Amino acid sequence: DQQVKQNSPSLSVQEGRISILNCDYTNSMFDYFLWYKKYPAEGPTFLISISSIKDKNEDGRFTVFLNKSAKHLSLHIVPSQPGDSAVYFCAASSYSRRETSGSRLTFGEGTQLTVNP
Amino acid sequence: SQTIHQWPATLVQPVGSPLSLECTVEGTSNPNLYWYRQAAGRGLQLLFYSVGIGQISSEVPQNLSASRPQDRQFILSSKKLLLSDSGFYLCAWGETYNRYYYGYTFGSGTRLTVV
Repeated sequence: DQQVKQNSPSLSVQEGRISILNCDYTNSMFDYFLWYKKYPAEGPTFLISISSIKDKNEDGRFTVFLNKSAKHLSLHIVPSQPGDSAVYFCAASSYSRRETSGSRLTFGEGTQLTVNP
Repeated sequence: SQTIHQWPATLVQPVGSPLSLECTVEGTSNPNLYWYRQAAGRGLQLLFYSVGIGQISSEVPQNLSASRPQDRQFILSSKKLLLSDSGFYLCAWGETYNRYYYGYTFGSGTRLTVV
């Protein structure tokens, strides 16, 4: 059962435009969400996160939006730059899981973002 | 500051040979540690996690095993590799911030090719 889904395996945008990466989840117990960025042959790096008590979190060019009723979150990158080209993973965790079972994150399949100059 | 080391970076091993990948963390104590695998074109699959020395939980039945002989050391092993074990292996440690998980810090990964 894929509890976190990124339905778009790839996304291509022009430099300077907005990139929107989407993520859906099914587990209503998830209350903390993160985005990671991964370059080839490297480990993922933390990008931005949001807790379920908020519906928006912004950090520079990156903004994450959370719609709890739709169980949907999105990452907006404005303006997009060629260096943003990478695989982006959405991840989720729940408070109960953090307390009892090693605090695992559940990851989506990832979306390959390509920003064209 | 906290750092995580993972080695080797790349590995080519024949089918049936043993495997040992090592991960160590610095600057933190009693971390939660994780092994993930990313197969070609796929997402991140959790293989094992550990909440303390000698405590290993397995997520996926397979011919891999994990051990945590020391607080900051996490080892992924296999007695006999299969072709399907090829992939990109990632070690990670988890950090809690207040009641929420701040997230994982990942190692640089090991590209394993079984031939």
